[in-house]
Amino acid sequence: EPEVTQTPSHQVTQMGQEVILRCVPISNHLYFYWYRQILGQKVEFLVSFYNNEISEKSEIFDDQFSVERPDGSNFTLKIRSTKLEDSAMYFCASSGPSDEYQETQYFGPGTRLLVL
Amino acid sequence: AQSVTQPDIHITVSEGASLELRCNYSYGATPYLFWYVQSPGQGLQLLLKYFSGDTLVQGIKGFEAEFKRSQSSFNLRKPSVHWSDAAEYFCAVVWTGNQFYFGTGTSLTVIP
Repeated sequence: EPEVTQTPSHQVTQMGQEVILRCVPISNHLYFYWYRQILGQKVEFLVSFYNNEISEKSEIFDDQFSVERPDGSNFTLKIRSTKLEDSAMYFCASSGPSDEYQETQYFGPGTRLLVL
Repeated sequence: AQSVTQPDIHITVSEGASLELRCNYSYGATPYLFWYVQSPGQGLQLLLKYFSGDTLVQGIKGFEAEFKRSQSSFNLRKPSVHWSDAAEYFCAVVWTGNQFYFGTGTSLTVIP
């Protein structure tokens, strides 16, 4: 069964450093998402991406965040200058083998980011 | 504003007992509804979803959920819980666009 994969599984970084979290969505999906889950809290939407541009973003997704689909398979989340409060589990998701946007989102296993 | 509520932070049940996890949502429009399960150290696995039609939906691992429009609820049930069901369960809702709104989760402990 196709699945969303994410690398790395864990990332430790120093405050102020840039990190790039990588995701390989399900191959025929058209919509891509990033969510985060701070320890002990709910999963929060960050951004959705369709047709090579951001379609929705939350208040959390400020100027220090960016997303990119550099090639036909990868989908990345970049945090330019990490802060302590960016420590969280980051989930990638994908959906929509068609243009019907209300498809089910399939989640990857997550990348646990720790900012020291 | 849109919100999703899971009133039970933690539930403990005995193996073999029945289970019901509650989920309520706010906002007037009928959303699309999902239940996900997260085992320790794992990602979110889809259990079941409701888009339209029959309000009782069946999912994987013997789970089912019932959409009740009048109560704005989408409660998850299982008639007989197994020890392997111990996990965190998240209700998620989509209204418009494709942004998921998650509840805070319910942690399930299963006693042998």
